[in-house]
Amino acid sequence: DVKVTQSSRYLVKRTGEKVFLECVQDMDHENMFWYRQDPGLGLRLIYFSYDVKMKEKGDIPEGYSVSREKKERFSLILESASTNQTSMYLCASSSKGQPMNTEAFFGQGTRLTVV
Amino acid sequence: AQKITQTQPGMFVQEKEAVTLDCTYDTSDPSYGLFWYKQPSSGEMIFLIYQGSYDQQNATEGRYSLNFQKARKSANLVISASQLGDSAMYFCAMREGPRVGNTPLVFGKGTRLSVIA
Repeated sequence: DVKVTQSSRYLVKRTGEKVFLECVQDMDHENMFWYRQDPGLGLRLIYFSYDVKMKEKGDIPEGYSVSREKKERFSLILESASTNQTSMYLCASSSKGQPMNTEAFFGQGTRLTVV
Repeated sequence: AQKITQTQPGMFVQEKEAVTLDCTYDTSDPSYGLFWYKQPSSGEMIFLIYQGSYDQQNATEGRYSLNFQKARKSANLVISASQLGDSAMYFCAMREGPRVGNTPLVFGKGTRLSVIA
């Protein structure tokens, strides 16, 4: 059973804090992704990674960075949290080199509130 | 430009009735895949069904079927015999390819389906 685990379900942080959102997958997937979900906007891609130490910007990378030191772990970093980063954050993983019909597996989400 | 468009923010359906959730997409790549995900109020994303651009037949998975009209660039999800547990957000998504590795999924804004008893 594929499992993608996000370290926190709910998080409350103060403006200006450095925030780490952690994601771990146990299926040896090469690809990992961070999305944010906002009402009326759907899921938007922040960053993704195809391999260890490799990262690519998604559609909305501003204000975020990522780290992938190990294959199973992909961290999203908010260098200085702001109130407009209050959102639901979803991590996903998928297997590389598979047919197009390989779905992405998602974590349970982290609801981040910045006050 | 939006790559995935879901024009129905919210839908209501009577229990046991069928419902169609609309999705149109935009791509110039001849190779692509279309996905539907369900997100209940608990927040997890559940994969429902996949349709490839070269697939000749419409995909079906149990009560879910995908009405794929390539010329119209539409990939509507049909849920037959709706159940109360089908109440959720539904997202249409696309992956363009083929490229080395998997490109990320691009999502629409979603449709909230409410099933009424």
